[in-house]
Amino acid sequence: NAGVTQTPKFRVLKTGQSMTLLCAQDMNHEYMYWYRQDPGMGLRLIHYSVGEGTTAKGEVPDGYNVSRLKKQNFLLGLESAAPSQTSVYFCASSPRGTGNTEAFFGQGTRLTVV
Amino acid sequence: KQEVTQIPAALSVPEGENLVLNCSFTDSAIYNLQWFRQDPGKGLTSLLLIQSSQREQTSGRLNASLDKSSGRSTLYIAASQPGDSATYLCAVRALTGGGNKLTFGTGTQLKVEL
Repeated sequence: NAGVTQTPKFRVLKTGQSMTLLCAQDMNHEYMYWYRQDPGMGLRLIHYSVGEGTTAKGEVPDGYNVSRLKKQNFLLGLESAAPSQTSVYFCASSPRGTGNTEAFFGQGTRLTVV
Repeated sequence: KQEVTQIPAALSVPEGENLVLNCSFTDSAIYNLQWFRQDPGKGLTSLLLIQSSQREQTSGRLNASLDKSSGRSTLYIAASQPGDSATYLCAVRALTGGGNKLTFGTGTQLKVEL
């Protein structure tokens, strides 16, 4: 039972480089999210998706792009990495609806931009 | 805009003590509230989910309460153990704004000492 899996777990980038973070969930959840976690600031929502083929901006979307081509995958892209994007990135998924919409998180990707 | 506050930011208690962690939120229009645990360098583990229509949820030594009208939730940990040492996060899922977004507090860092 994998749940939510993030790839890679660690990455070091040089300023200006690009990369894609992959999130995969096997729970058939409609909603998927990308958060970043920084010391003293908690988790902040970058982008989210309410279903295959849809994406929307969260609280801190600048410098990131996302795609949800398949229901089980949610990709986060950094086109030109900046030191301010050094952070721990978490992906989450949850069911649709107003009932039990318990969210499940991946183990995180620690990204350092030098 | 929903704001979530957790007090205290850090807490140190001796083993065996019962303790209460607090979470407050500014907008009472929520679907539910979820408590998470995060160990250093790890992802978030879901502990309890309370629906907006519920007053409390229990799991083992954990009990979470919700007072939606006053914008407050508490997480009660009975007979604390060193293994409970972690950061505890609460998150509310908003009714408005679409996408069932989770808004997080900045967490309470708990240390249970022998």
